[in-house]
Amino acid sequence: EPEVTQTPSHQVTQMGQEVILRCVPISNHLYFYWYRQILGQKVEFLVSFYNNEISEKSEIFDDQFSVERPDGSNFTLKIRSTKLEDSAMYFCASSEALGLQIGETQYFGPGTRLLVL
Amino acid sequence: RKEVEQDPGPFNVPEGATVAFNCTYSNSASQSFFWYRQDCRKEPKLLMSVYSSGNEDGRFTAQLNRASQYISLLIRDSKLSDSATYLCVVNRRWDGSSNTGKLIFGQGTTLQVKP
Repeated sequence: EPEVTQTPSHQVTQMGQEVILRCVPISNHLYFYWYRQILGQKVEFLVSFYNNEISEKSEIFDDQFSVERPDGSNFTLKIRSTKLEDSAMYFCASSEALGLQIGETQYFGPGTRLLVL
Repeated sequence: RKEVEQDPGPFNVPEGATVAFNCTYSNSASQSFFWYRQDCRKEPKLLMSVYSSGNEDGRFTAQLNRASQYISLLIRDSKLSDSATYLCVVNRRWDGSSNTGKLIFGQGTTLQVKP
């Protein structure tokens, strides 16, 4: 069964450093997403991406965040200058379509656990 | 008010029990509805989509009431392996215009099935 993959599984960084989280979505999917989950809290939407541009972003997704699809397979999330409060599990997701029809859904990767010290 | 509200539990039930989870959503523009399952420190995994007519998948039954903005999940004959957090998830239009696929998650309801 095709799956979304993410690397690294864990990342420890110092406050103020840049991190890049990588994702390989399912190959025939067209819509890509990043979510995050702070320990003990709910999953929160960060950004959606379609046709090489951001289609929606949340208030969390400020100027420190960026996304890119540098080639036909990877989808990355960059945090330019990490803060302590960026510590969370970051999930990448992809979908074939928008989830409005039966059978369309978002598939999540296993996540990258980011710890900012 | 939270956009998606769930009772966090935990629900502690014996094997074989029937358990029901409820969820309410506040935005009437919500379009698609899902139950996801999340095991500890793992990614959310789709359990089932929820349709207005109600749908069943084995021991799991989901119901949607659009008028009341209410979603439910019923698990019959609980197994130890059902122990997890169940996430109520909705997808809605963005600012009343196009849909970007954004999923909005509830806090989750924790289920612990005991032998």
